Amino acid sequence: GNSVTQMEGPVTLSEEAFLTINCTYTATGYPSLFWYVQYPGEGLQLLLKATKADDKGSNKGFEATYRKETTSFHLEKGSVQVSDSAVYFCALSTNAGKSTFGDGTTLTVKP
Amino acid sequence: DTEVTQTPKHLVMGMTNKKSLKCEQHMGHRAMYWYKQKAKKPPELMFVYSYEKLSINESVPSRFSPECPNSSLLNLHLHALQPEDSALYLCASSLGTSGGKRTGELFFGEGSRLTVL
Repeated sequence: GNSVTQMEGPVTLSEEAFLTINCTYTATGYPSLFWYVQYPGEGLQLLLKATKADDKGSNKGFEATYRKETTSFHLEKGSVQVSDSAVYFCALSTNAGKSTFGDGTTLTVKP
Repeated sequence: DTEVTQTPKHLVMGMTNKKSLKCEQHMGHRAMYWYKQKAKKPPELMFVYSYEKLSINESVPSRFSPECPNSSLLNLHLHALQPEDSALYLCASSLGTSGGKRTGELFFGEGSRLTVL
């Protein structure tokens, strides 16, 4: 079956630090890949996506590249802010219509 | 309008009560989902409706009963729940499959936080 593995958290960084959250996946076929973010007390919202190999998704300073050869979709941001504190979920979706989520990584950014 | 709206935001119910969670979207999406999320865990899929028909039931206990009255509305009827059913219930929608085009991006509501006493 499909699976998504995220680096274990939590992650604590100082403001303006560089962020990397690792994500690797196992899937049959050619999945679409996503990063969702969940702020405290809210639902999940899409942060960025990539639908084919070598695509780069980007939004709000975050980036991730779909690497088929390493089955990875690592999330990066050059300079984090306190407002980026949230839980980040890596996910994949196949044509079957079901999404598979990683366990989530809690990011805390301190001023 | 790019929102998925869920009501109520908070619900407290006893184990003998009957209540319903409601979800609405006006983005023209043809797939709608119910997820259950426990604290510090990823969402767990419960049900999927595709073109108003139930297409996936992830072996959810019958005390949870979904309903899709039309393409914009999704309900989750709750009856005789257990304390361990306390969680955040998330509704989501997506474009759905159309002519073989791959989709999958989910649009989530803010959730209904359910407490079962």
